[in-house]
Amino acid sequence: DAKTTQPPSMDCAEGRAANLPCNHSTISGNEYVYWYRQIHSQGPQYIIHGLKNNETNEMASLIITEDRKSSTLILPHATLRDTAVYYCIVNPFGNEKLTFGTGTRLTIIP
Amino acid sequence: GAVVSQHPSRVICKSGTSVKIECRSLDFQATTMFWYRQFPKQSLMLMATSNEGSKATYEQGVEKDKFLINHASLTLSTLTVTSAHPEDSSFYICSATDSHTEAFFGQGTRLTVV
Repeated sequence: DAKTTQPPSMDCAEGRAANLPCNHSTISGNEYVYWYRQIHSQGPQYIIHGLKNNETNEMASLIITEDRKSSTLILPHATLRDTAVYYCIVNPFGNEKLTFGTGTRLTIIP
Repeated sequence: GAVVSQHPSRVICKSGTSVKIECRSLDFQATTMFWYRQFPKQSLMLMATSNEGSKATYEQGVEKDKFLINHASLTLSTLTVTSAHPEDSSFYICSATDSHTEAFFGQGTRLTVV
């Protein structure tokens, strides 16, 4: 069973920041928070992961609360190509056997 | 990121025949590969874990004799759907890892059994 809870869907205006929340209240000390996204009819694409510190890369930023029970993925300037299902997954690092929940369907509005 | 390639991207086969799907890691050695299945409007479901040179580990409810997995080298794993039936029609996706980085996914194979 997935250990995360995400809203089923969200809309965001093109050019604005998209903030996708994820609850993972039962996360263990050795588990990382991973984010993947799946564009229609494609395989999932890795976005970012983190343990407890905030992380940023060329795609997104990941903000993890101090108690690690929730996190937010931020796409700073959303484009139409960011329309996808976004999956938040908690997993021990090095164990890449991923359990996917239902994710959040993000739609970028022109 | 690393590249994982699946082939074919789409396949249509007749009921009762077998179909082989290939998953290749193009720029790294994949010690472990995973096979997932995704039905329409559903999430990915893990089918099996494949380690190079050893037998695959199947998830509960996945028939090992129907979904044959071979991981003969560090860059190639194959999934063969044997005696395919219409209910096997699905989107099959592989992922690969070298155990030091995150998993990278192939582009998926859409199987249609008619």
